Amino acid sequence: NAGVTQTPKFRILKIGQSMTLQCAQDMNHNYMYWYRQDPGMGLKLIYYSVGAGITDKGEVPNGYNVSRSTTEDFPLRLELAAPSQTSVYFCASSYPITGSYNEQFFGPGTRLTVL
Amino acid sequence: GQSLEQPSEVTAVEGAIVQINCTYQTSGFYGLSWYQQHDGGAPTFLSYNALDGLEETGRFSSFLSRSDSYGYLLLQELQMKDSASYFCAVSPGDDKLIFGTGTRLQVFP
Repeated sequence: NAGVTQTPKFRILKIGQSMTLQCAQDMNHNYMYWYRQDPGMGLKLIYYSVGAGITDKGEVPNGYNVSRSTTEDFPLRLELAAPSQTSVYFCASSYPITGSYNEQFFGPGTRLTVL
Repeated sequence: GQSLEQPSEVTAVEGAIVQINCTYQTSGFYGLSWYQQHDGGAPTFLSYNALDGLEETGRFSSFLSRSDSYGYLLLQELQMKDSASYFCAVSPGDDKLIFGTGTRLQVFP
């Protein structure tokens, strides 16, 4: 299994440009998440999904959109990029087991710079 | 809302024991977990406390006290490879995680 994969690894955007960060997992996990991590800080939840066709906002959703058409893929869309969106973006997934903790598995991250 | 506070940095020498604290203000959560992140890497799961008390996983132990709104990660027999950032996180539901501010651990020879 490849686990959670993210593309691209690095990207530089100009202010106002748009892009889609790709995330895929091959572990048949229902739950998927997008986080951003600013330098020296913790991770902030942007959006999450508990299954195909279902998405919900996290702590910092403004400026982002997501879709979940399949169990495997959970792309994150940035519209009108701003310098404040310069960050490292992590995608994660987990398999829900009722009554127990479900470890989140993280992808390698995408380093995005907006200039 | 939820907020979790951790010391920004901790230093120790190889072979020592170090404790990383996590204090939180939250209205309710299912449990407290800990993740490790090496520089340039992705977070990886270390441990989880659903109930008050100590959970031991090899050299790492984690503790939770809901009445004190407090938890900690204990790392024993420190090794150079333990140099990393450590994050506590609470689970408010839907398997979401709210992360703490993170503690950078530096282990010296």
